[in-house]
Amino acid sequence: QSALTQPRSVSGSPGQSVTISCTGTSDDVGGYNYVSWYQHHPGKAPKIVIFDVNKRPSGVPDRFSGSKSGNTASLTVSGLQAEDEADYYCCSYAGNYVFGTGTKVTVL
Amino acid sequence: QVTLRESGPALVKPTQTLILTCTYSGFSLSTNGMCVSWIRQPPGKALEWLARIDWDDDKYYNVSLKTRLTISKDTSKNEVVLTITNVDPADTGTYYCARSSGSGRYVAHYFDNWGQGTEVAVYS
Repeated sequence: QSALTQPRSVSGSPGQSVTISCTGTSDDVGGYNYVSWYQHHPGKAPKIVIFDVNKRPSGVPDRFSGSKSGNTASLTVSGLQAEDEADYYCCSYAGNYVFGTGTKVTVL
Repeated sequence: QVTLRESGPALVKPTQTLILTCTYSGFSLSTNGMCVSWIRQPPGKALEWLARIDWDDDKYYNVSLKTRLTISKDTSKNEVVLTITNVDPADTGTYYCARSSGSGRYVAHYFDNWGQGTEVAVYS
């Protein structure tokens, strides 16, 4: 099973919004409402920011939002802050689990 | 507070068996809906899910690696162990364990707590 496709990098200034896409197929992203997103600061434990496409775990700021259309899921980070600079990975259930290629978010 | 910590050898030789241990706290893997997965990341590459073990001892494996993987749990020690046989340099990377916490018979298809990972290098 191939990794889900994410842009290599996105960037934005503090206060702006960035959106990360995650493209799969009808066998994964398009077939289940089980897309999750993880924030990863290198050397630290990955942290979940979105689950089940658009649900936010308690403690995650509402600046993080998720959506899905067809075979593509998206994560939007609004009101960018310096601490949002990290790698972000999507993941979809597909009978097993498949992750995205990862996106580096840079806060300019 | 939920914590997970991975441990294992930093270096293994090709063809050897790699044994990784995930020691967890703050939850019981005997509770309905609780699961622990192993996930790895080769250098510069995407995360790859490897295996999952559920509260009822059901086990699931990455199809492409299934013949080389074994996952098990010891709830008395709060440990989940992953064994990978016949390793080669492609198995080099950071290995993470992560929890999924459903409820009842509902399995959550996401990972709500992760360890910091343990790095493994395979070379002779």
